[in-house]
Amino acid sequence: DGGITQSPKYLFRKEGQNVTLSCEQNLNHDAMYWYRQDPGQGLRLIYYSQIVNDFQKGDIAEGYSVSREKKESFPLTVTSAQKNPTAFYLCASSIGRDNTEAFFGQGTRLTVV
Amino acid sequence: DQQVKQNSPSLSVQEGRISILNCDYTNSMFDYFLWYKKYPAEGPTFLISISSIKDKNEDGRFTVFLNKSAKHLSLHIVPSQPGDSAVYFCAAFAGGTSYGKLTFGQGTILTVHP
Repeated sequence: DGGITQSPKYLFRKEGQNVTLSCEQNLNHDAMYWYRQDPGQGLRLIYYSQIVNDFQKGDIAEGYSVSREKKESFPLTVTSAQKNPTAFYLCASSIGRDNTEAFFGQGTRLTVV
Repeated sequence: DQQVKQNSPSLSVQEGRISILNCDYTNSMFDYFLWYKKYPAEGPTFLISISSIKDKNEDGRFTVFLNKSAKHLSLHIVPSQPGDSAVYFCAAFAGGTSYGKLTFGQGTILTVHP
């Protein structure tokens, strides 16, 4: 079955540590996105990538980094510079710039203690 | 600057009645709009969309209305069912930009009571 997979579903890290969230898709989609969800704030775009080896900052990129070495994978690193890392992180993909229907993964709940 | 706004954080409706979820936007470059449904601890799932060249799109119990002059869209669910209880996000896309990034509203929690 085609889909988009995020792992792990729950993640705990100590303050000051970097952590990488995984996102893999087998939909052959060109575009991939990372969003963050906080209560009352909806989904905010962190980073997006329209093609392999290229990515762009979203609205709240500070404290995050990404890579897009393969079409199927778009990992997100939450660095120690991110002031409020505890959140629900969602990865999404879409066919490309002209297809707006994004498919989402199940999300990763990151808790920093 | 919140370009897509859902001003009602929550909505409570009786089963069988109509649910109306509202969304306002400020960016006149937006030309495609989507509604997503989200259950707790899961990713959003696509529900219905509408292009700016239309003012209505219907899919079963779900209808989206777009009023471009008012920069307003709404999602109607008729009849509402308890399984519709979820968070609903409105999203917008500007087709003329280089990248197809979606801008989401804050979400509205819909509760349908049996």
